[in-house]
Amino acid sequence: QQQVKQSPQSLIVQKGGISIINCAYENTAFDYFPWYQQFPGKGPALLIAIRPDVSEKKEGRFTISFNKSAKQFSLHIMDSQPGDSATYFCAASLTGNQFYFGTGTSLTVIP
Amino acid sequence: ETGVTQSPTHLIKTRGQQVTLRCSSQSGHNTVSWYQQALGQGPQFIFQYYREEENGRGNFPPRFSGLQFPNYSSELNVNALELDDSALYLCASSQGLAGDLGETQYFGPGTRLLVL
Repeated sequence: QQQVKQSPQSLIVQKGGISIINCAYENTAFDYFPWYQQFPGKGPALLIAIRPDVSEKKEGRFTISFNKSAKQFSLHIMDSQPGDSATYFCAASLTGNQFYFGTGTSLTVIP
Repeated sequence: ETGVTQSPTHLIKTRGQQVTLRCSSQSGHNTVSWYQQALGQGPQFIFQYYREEENGRGNFPPRFSGLQFPNYSSELNVNALELDDSALYLCASSQGLAGDLGETQYFGPGTRLLVL
């Protein structure tokens, strides 16, 4: 059973546009929801994370929106830049013990 | 760079062989997790070690085993390799459990394993 479902699989956005990636989770006991960015040949790097007691968290151009009742969370990248082109993974964790990752979204930002 | 290193970077093995992958954690980190990332997929949790003890395991068979050493470096061992074991193997280290009290897990660049 896929614990975390991510969409879309790929996304193409114009420079300056907004990129939106969505995730849905199954286990209501999850208490930590990070987003990771991965460039080719590199391991994933933490971008931003949220806990379920908060509905939104913003760090620079990156915002997580969290809907606990719908068991969904999303990543918004404002003013998308070509340097943001990468694969993005959402994840969910229970007390940091085991992380369940989504299948990834390949983002391409066109200049 | 995250300060997490893995060796080797690439490896080719044949079916049935055994392999050992190594990870050097970021200084001061006492928790290491190992993940398998198949091509085009998200990382899948294999297991986690906290202060040299296994602290959780994903849905992987017993032929996947690990160790964490007193200096907090670790290794992943896979016996009786199968073709489906071909993947990128990532380790991630953290000071305590990632997500707890704001702790972050830092990933290494991975070891790409090809099983023929």
